[in-house]
Amino acid sequence: DAGVTQSPTHLIKTRGQQVTLRCSPKSGHDTVSWYQQALGQGPQFIFQYYEEEERQRGNFPDRFSGHQFPNYSSELNVNALLLGDSALYLCASRQGGNYGYTFGSGTRLTVV
Amino acid sequence: GESVGLHLPTLSVQEGDNSIINCAYSNSASDYFIWYKQESGKGPQFIIDIRSNMDKRQGQRVTVLLNKTVKHLSLQIAATQPGDSAVYFCAESHSGNTPLVFGKGTRLSVIA
Repeated sequence: DAGVTQSPTHLIKTRGQQVTLRCSPKSGHDTVSWYQQALGQGPQFIFQYYEEEERQRGNFPDRFSGHQFPNYSSELNVNALLLGDSALYLCASRQGGNYGYTFGSGTRLTVV
Repeated sequence: GESVGLHLPTLSVQEGDNSIINCAYSNSASDYFIWYKQESGKGPQFIIDIRSNMDKRQGQRVTVLLNKTVKHLSLQIAATQPGDSAVYFCAESHSGNTPLVFGKGTRLSVIA
């Protein structure tokens, strides 16, 4: 049983560019959350998707947007990239009312 | 805002010894707590969780203790092994519906 899969694993972008990160949740999971993890820090919540709608959002600017598809997979889009957006982006999924999240291995984004 | 923090940023232990990693939380409304292990280049991996109606929960070689009076959480690892070397995060949530809030993490180094 595949867990949470994310693509790509690594990405290098230039300031001002746009990026799209992808996530496939664990089989049976319908809720997807995205986190940003800066080097040496704990993950910070970006937003959560359920039933194709953004349900909760953390303290991130509108440059960060997302989408959830009918098959529960999700995308994270970041526009007008800044150097400070360099981080590990983690996708986590869970099933319905269950409390625990399963995390993917993340996408390492480097903005130069 | 509310936050979850850790007392010790690094911890070195001898192989075979017991490890104790501590965590303080500030949101008194939090009722669900999780410990995650994160190895280099990987996403957080679930270790054990506990709800606020419990004081202690045991898993395989791990025990989580919750002291709601002083808002303190600890993870005990018995007979620490080299494979336990990683960064450990505690995270909290309210009723499982609010996003997980992570602390900064503690790096555990096991000395063989």
